[in-house]
Amino acid sequence: GAGVSQSPSNKVTEKGKDVELRCDPISGHTALYWYRQSLGQGLEFLIYFQGNSAPDKSGLPSDRFSAERTGGSVSTLTIQRTQQEDSAVYLCASSLVITGHGYGYTFGSGTRLTVV
Amino acid sequence: DQQVKQNSPSLSVQEGRISILNCDYTNSMFDYFLWYKKYPAEGPTFLISISSIKDKNEDGRFTVFLNKSAKHLSLHIVPSQPGDSAVYFCAASAYNDMRFGAGTRLTVKP
Repeated sequence: GAGVSQSPSNKVTEKGKDVELRCDPISGHTALYWYRQSLGQGLEFLIYFQGNSAPDKSGLPSDRFSAERTGGSVSTLTIQRTQQEDSAVYLCASSLVITGHGYGYTFGSGTRLTVV
Repeated sequence: DQQVKQNSPSLSVQEGRISILNCDYTNSMFDYFLWYKKYPAEGPTFLISISSIKDKNEDGRFTVFLNKSAKHLSLHIVPSQPGDSAVYFCAASAYNDMRFGAGTRLTVKP
């Protein structure tokens, strides 16, 4: 596609439920990243995928968070047993080069998750 | 552990004047620095970057300055326009690891 597409754009869920957030990166971009932005905070790195390499999961805040990327394209971020502190905007980005140096990332519009 | 800090959550300037957004970092391993701009309900968009081997990069109205000894960078916008009103994120990168600041909300008043 022309840009990075994320769905849903908004999600309200009850505490304790599982949620899935989807990211469709720009076609041909080999690197895919998940970030989240909590209220008043910067962009917090969660996970990134590069081609067929093992993902860097070092930013995932707990084992309730997981992500997969199927066929090197679409990615799904899953949050199990959601908590109120999971409420944030979850942003996906993709890039042509793994480091993003000089090129920057292309971000999607994000999914605003609200846990009530 | 905030490795990239933007200490001013907001900035307001008059149209036509200069906007200066500041950013500090702590990790000397960062070798690339970027600025992103974010409008409401949209994802951040890449604005301008600078390599650690340079101290200045200019693109039209936007100039980024890097002071490695002070671990400080700044974004200058001149002249500022109302359409520049957005949240600006500073980012620093060191191979496969990009960290972002909390953002500065710029308001340019007509």
